[in-house]
Amino acid sequence: AQKITQTQPGMFVQEKEAVTLDCTYDTSDPSYGLFWYKQPSSGEMIFLIYQGSYDQQNATEGRYSLNFQKARKSANLVISASQLGDSAMYFCAMREPFSGGYQKVTFGTGTKLQVIP
Amino acid sequence: DTEVTQTPKHLVMGMTNKKSLKCEQHMGHRAMYWYKQKAKKPPELMFVYSYEKLSINESVPSRFSPECPNSSLLNLHLHALQPEDSALYLCASSNQGHTEAFFGQGTRLTVV
Repeated sequence: AQKITQTQPGMFVQEKEAVTLDCTYDTSDPSYGLFWYKQPSSGEMIFLIYQGSYDQQNATEGRYSLNFQKARKSANLVISASQLGDSAMYFCAMREPFSGGYQKVTFGTGTKLQVIP
Repeated sequence: DTEVTQTPKHLVMGMTNKKSLKCEQHMGHRAMYWYKQKAKKPPELMFVYSYEKLSINESVPSRFSPECPNSSLLNLHLHALQPEDSALYLCASSNQGHTEAFFGQGTRLTVV
């Protein structure tokens, strides 16, 4: 069974500073995918970044980068130059190998990030 | 168009009511999902439809009844719900081989 662990229930960061949100995972499948989603108070889940288990390089999307350490089974999200609009809940998630045209995703418990002016 | 649209945004219903949640996407995605999210908890998968066929039912009580009338629409029919069913219900869609799923803004359901 797959398991995702986020050990930081809440984090504070000063505006314009960088912040790292931790995520560790456990799976016996060699093929998997890791995601980070942002959920503002409005409720919508916003996709931020994806890392495939066979990807050699760490994923980056604008101010977001994923620090993927496969041997340690960690997939930490780094947000550079934090903005007030980054205040939200952040979920790490893992996808099982593709099957039947859909993806089965397990979410971590989330980290609430608050950006301080 | 990269939107998943859910209606209504908010719903208050009594325990004897019958209501439906609606989800629509026009991205050509062939997999659609219903998630339930309680306050301060992660989303939990309820149902998955792939090519308009129910592929996963995560042991959801029968008072929740999903329906996929066509490849763009996903409904969740609600009947005789309990107060503990109050939650944010999220719809999502994805395509095989793609990475992320696209989520709607959710329906905030309150059962009184």
